[in-house]
Amino acid sequence: DQQVKQNSPSLSVQEGRISILNCDYTNSMFDYFLWYKKYPAEGPTFLISISSIKDKNEDGRFTVFLNKSAKHLSLHIVPSQPGDSAVYFCAARERSGNTPLVFGKGTRLSVIA
Amino acid sequence: DGGITQSPKYLFRKEGQNVTLSCEQNLNHDAMYWYRQDPGQGLRLIYYSQIVNDFQKGDIAEGYSVSREKKESFPLTVTSAQKNPTAFYLCASSPGQVNYEQYFGPGTRLTVT
Repeated sequence: DQQVKQNSPSLSVQEGRISILNCDYTNSMFDYFLWYKKYPAEGPTFLISISSIKDKNEDGRFTVFLNKSAKHLSLHIVPSQPGDSAVYFCAARERSGNTPLVFGKGTRLSVIA
Repeated sequence: DGGITQSPKYLFRKEGQNVTLSCEQNLNHDAMYWYRQDPGQGLRLIYYSQIVNDFQKGDIAEGYSVSREKKESFPLTVTSAQKNPTAFYLCASSPGQVNYEQYFGPGTRLTVT
């Protein structure tokens, strides 16, 4: 059973528009969430994170929103650029600190020029 | 400069042979991890290690083995018992506890024929 779910395997967006990537989780012990970006044949790189004590974190074109009651987070990219085309992984950390990050299966974003 | 190195980038082996993938980090991180990525499967955890001479199985450890004799090194052996060894393998590390933000290496593409 997946504790972190990214239900959209892929997403296509026009350049300049907003990209919204979604992530749902089931474990109420998660207290910290991260987004990673991955290009083909490369390792993922950290993009942005959010603590469960916040509901929004912004870094340039990237904003992550957290809705704890719905156990849902989303990554907004505005404006989307062709270089944003990649696979995005949502990850979550359990408060206990004894288990590794739990990753979703990823969403492939394609930004069309 | 600091980082995680995985070598080689591409590796080819005949079925029935064991193969060892290298992972070295000079970030002075305590924890290290191995993942495999298959299309549509996201990142699946194979093994992780919190400290030297200690490691734990992840979600798909069968057919794999690891060692952690030095803090900076965490080699992964893909044995002949692994039924579907062809995949993209990623090594990662994190400071402190295992649920801290992870830093990934560039990956090794293993092809077994």
